[in-house]
Amino acid sequence: EIVLTQSPDFQSVTPKEKVTITCRASQNIGSSLHWYQQKPGQSPKLLINYASQSISGVPSRFSGSGSGTDFTLTISSLEAEDAATYYCHQSSSFPLTFGGGTKVGIK
Amino acid sequence: EVQLLESGGGLVQPGGSLRVSCAASGFIFSNYGMSWVRQAPGKGLEWVSTISNSGGTYYADSVRGRFTISRDNSKNTLYLQMNTLRAEDTAIYYCAKCGGSRWDYFDYWGQGTLVAVSS
Repeated sequence: EIVLTQSPDFQSVTPKEKVTITCRASQNIGSSLHWYQQKPGQSPKLLINYASQSISGVPSRFSGSGSGTDFTLTISSLEAEDAATYYCHQSSSFPLTFGGGTKVGIK
Repeated sequence: EVQLLESGGGLVQPGGSLRVSCAASGFIFSNYGMSWVRQAPGKGLEWVSTISNSGGTYYADSVRGRFTISRDNSKNTLYLQMNTLRAEDTAIYYCAKCGGSRWDYFDYWGQGTLVAVSS
């Protein structure tokens, strides 16, 4: 099973600040890494697929990078509406797995 | 507009059975893989099962042998039959559309249906 380790677990950030969330895979998954945002009481929402591909309708302040085992989700300038938990997910092999999540709060 | 509407959740006793459904609309259902992902109260996301557009099935070890995923392309509906339920199966169960015909990223999610296993 491919284990995805996210860091940090929690981050409190001032609006307009840059946010960086990392996801490390326990083995090489190429670019089969995807990012989701989940706000309280809501379903997850796809933000980035295949490590760095943008999704239509997602604000351009969200971007992804990485390949192999190390991946990053960046929010270039945090807005209040970005308060949420962020998850990475790998589709390289079964069982499909998710990272433990990173909760982003607003200072 | 893609819509996924789950139903069938509820309270069930340990050892019991339940079937949850997901009615899909807004896309060609038979072209895409579909999955179930669950989230225990206050916890993270856990993949449960995937069915490809051609009917191939895949399961997490924690549910293999107890849960069965299926689809009815004529009704645009995804199912999850859950047997021998345990307390640790308590979660919100989300239906998710895969980005491709097999397993892939999840580009659309339903609102979820709560399954509670308790005596």
